[in-house]
Amino acid sequence: EAGVAQSPRYKIIEKRQSVAFWCNPISGHATLYWYQQILGQGPKLLIQFQNNGVVDDSQLPKDRFSAERLKGVDSTLKIQPAKLEDSAVYLCASSRWSNTIYFGEGSWLTVV
Amino acid sequence: SQQGEEDPQALSIQEGENATMNCSYKTSINNLQWYRQNSGRGLVHLILIRSNEREKHSGRLRVTLDTSKKSSSLLITASRAADTASYFCAWTMEYGNKLVFGAGTILRVKS
Repeated sequence: EAGVAQSPRYKIIEKRQSVAFWCNPISGHATLYWYQQILGQGPKLLIQFQNNGVVDDSQLPKDRFSAERLKGVDSTLKIQPAKLEDSAVYLCASSRWSNTIYFGEGSWLTVV
Repeated sequence: SQQGEEDPQALSIQEGENATMNCSYKTSINNLQWYRQNSGRGLVHLILIRSNEREKHSGRLRVTLDTSKKSSSLLITASRAADTASYFCAWTMEYGNKLVFGAGTILRVKS
């Protein structure tokens, strides 16, 4: 079974620029998550999708972050404009409902 | 904050010793999971314990769950240098299937 795929793995941008991260979940997993992990901290949930509907986006900074899940499969997370404090690893994960959650390798963002 | 606590924040032990990490959370949960994260890598799922279970084993891992105290512990027996990593507990809240992470414990196993 293929794992959760994310791209790009690494991205360096200047503040106020935009960036987009892509995620392809494990086949058949209806639930998709985006987490932000700042160095030295635990991951923080940004947004959770069930199929193509949003279940929880309470911690998503909606003035600069947006996410969509097209056709209930792939998902894209966008940041525009980026700030220095957005430097973090962006982790995508997927699961069947109430089961083990599987994570991708993450997309490392550095904002300079 | 929805995040609980993990202790210790960092743990350094000799190879062959046991390592115990503790996790506390604040809400009613469906299950609690433990993850390992090697430096620069994604999270790897280790073990899941459901709210109606008290103890679970997987290889050298032993997890306990006390829902009355809202706490869990992860024991790694006979540690190896390859166990060096950050360990995170995460709990699925009772409603909504939201997975919330603790702050993690950094484990260093010296050979």
